[in-house]
Amino acid sequence: QQPVQSPQAVILREGEDAVINCSSSKALYSVHWYRQKHGEAPVFLMILLKGGEQKGHEKISASFNEKKQQSSLYLTASQLSYSGTYFCGTEKGNDYKLSFGAGTTVTVRA
Amino acid sequence: NAGVTQTPKFQVLKTGQSMTLQCAQDMNHNSMYWYRQDPGMGLRLIYYSASEGTTDKGEVPNGYNVSRLNKREFSLRLESAAPSQTSVYFCATPPTRRQISSYNEQFFGPGTRLTVL
Repeated sequence: QQPVQSPQAVILREGEDAVINCSSSKALYSVHWYRQKHGEAPVFLMILLKGGEQKGHEKISASFNEKKQQSSLYLTASQLSYSGTYFCGTEKGNDYKLSFGAGTTVTVRA
Repeated sequence: NAGVTQTPKFQVLKTGQSMTLQCAQDMNHNSMYWYRQDPGMGLRLIYYSASEGTTDKGEVPNGYNVSRLNKREFSLRLESAAPSQTSVYFCATPPTRRQISSYNEQFFGPGTRLTVL
């Protein structure tokens, strides 16, 4: 079952903040976040594991609420380069099935 | 360079033709995935392989077959292509569990743009 993302789209001015949410109806083992620019492959942002461990490589933070099966991605002081479509992917249990949500389109304007 | 390679990058088929999309990774990851992405849509899981020798259906497996040839390679086959299979296909080997070794790695292949007439 695919996770549900919200909002579907958001428009920001440079320097503004935004939050993208990802929720699942089932218990999650991990949440993955990717960003995709038009015509390109998705690029890894972060993985959040059950138990609170986070691994990522960009100045974008995220949280993972295991009890609510929810994750949020925080875009702080947005830059033009943050524009793109953000996808969350979820794994349940130990089956390694990684399903993605429909995506959130972020547009950052100067 | 560590990464995921896919071939071909573009393909046009006629209805009923067959083809195999190839994918290879050199990250030594156990799990590999095939997704399709339609215009303006998200990534839908077709098939995945948690480890060498195993494959499982995703959300949209009908019309496709897969083979996990070895740890590096995971192929996707369309036996009788249909216009509804026109899409961009991505092979991926995401970091699951604690497999991240480098934050500069690309975990998705560049994609195959398939058109079925």
